[in-house]
Amino acid sequence: AQSVTQLGSHVSVSEGALVLLRCNYSSSVPPYLFWYVQYPNQGLQLLLKYTTGATLVKGINGFEAEFKKSETSFHLTKPSAHMSDAAEYFCAVSLILFGNEKLTFGTGTRLTIIP
Amino acid sequence: DSGVTQTPKHLITATGQRVTLRCSPRSGDLSVYWYQQSLDQGLQFLIQYYNGEERAKGNILERFSAQQFPDLHSELNLSSPELGDSALYFCASSVGIGLGNTIYFGEGSWLTVV
Repeated sequence: AQSVTQLGSHVSVSEGALVLLRCNYSSSVPPYLFWYVQYPNQGLQLLLKYTTGATLVKGINGFEAEFKKSETSFHLTKPSAHMSDAAEYFCAVSLILFGNEKLTFGTGTRLTIIP
Repeated sequence: DSGVTQTPKHLITATGQRVTLRCSPRSGDLSVYWYQQSLDQGLQFLIQYYNGEERAKGNILERFSAQQFPDLHSELNLSSPELGDSALYFCASSVGIGLGNTIYFGEGSWLTVV
C-alpha cells in the first residue's frame, strides 16, 4: 500500500524567508511523486513532479523538491517566500497497482506568508 | 486555466435530490478522474475513466456513480445525496494512464446538501 504524510497542516514563514514543506511517503515500489498547489477558490495546479532521473526537481514559481529514497522524503522548498505563495500545498504519490494507476494525496499544508 | 471545465461551479440541493456534475477534459486527454475534497476527509480519489471505460475505483459510495461518454466528457451522479456529501468535487484529466502522467484539475464544483 502507498501513503503520503505531510508534516504540519499549517506553516507560517516571513516574506523573504525559506519555505520548507515536508512530505514523506511509503511505497513498496519506487513511486512517482508530485507537489500540487491550490490557491483560494481554485483547482489544484501541478508545481513539480519526480518520475526518474535527477533527484532534485525544479518546478514553477521558484519551487523545487528533492527525492531522497533513503529518507522516503520529497520535501518542497523555495529560497525566498513571496506573498503570492500563500496557498495550500499537496504532496501526492502515484504508482500502478494491478494495472491501475492511483494518485494518493497527502492531507495538505496551508502556507501563510507573514509580511 | 487548466483546460478542464466543470459545471456547475456551485450547487445547492436537498437531501435525496439527484445531482449531476459535469466535466469536460482538456482537449486530447482520454483519462478523467473524480476527486472529493472535504474538510474532514481531505482530497479523496473517487473514480477514473479512460476512453469511456472505468479504470480504477477509490472510496466511492454506492449512491455515487459516474460515466465517460464517447465525446470523453464525464458526469458524476449522486442518486440520493446526504448532508455529508457536501464537498468540493474536482474533475481532472490526463493524456493517458501511464505512470507519471500529469493530471490537470478543473476548478471544482461546490456541492452543498441541505
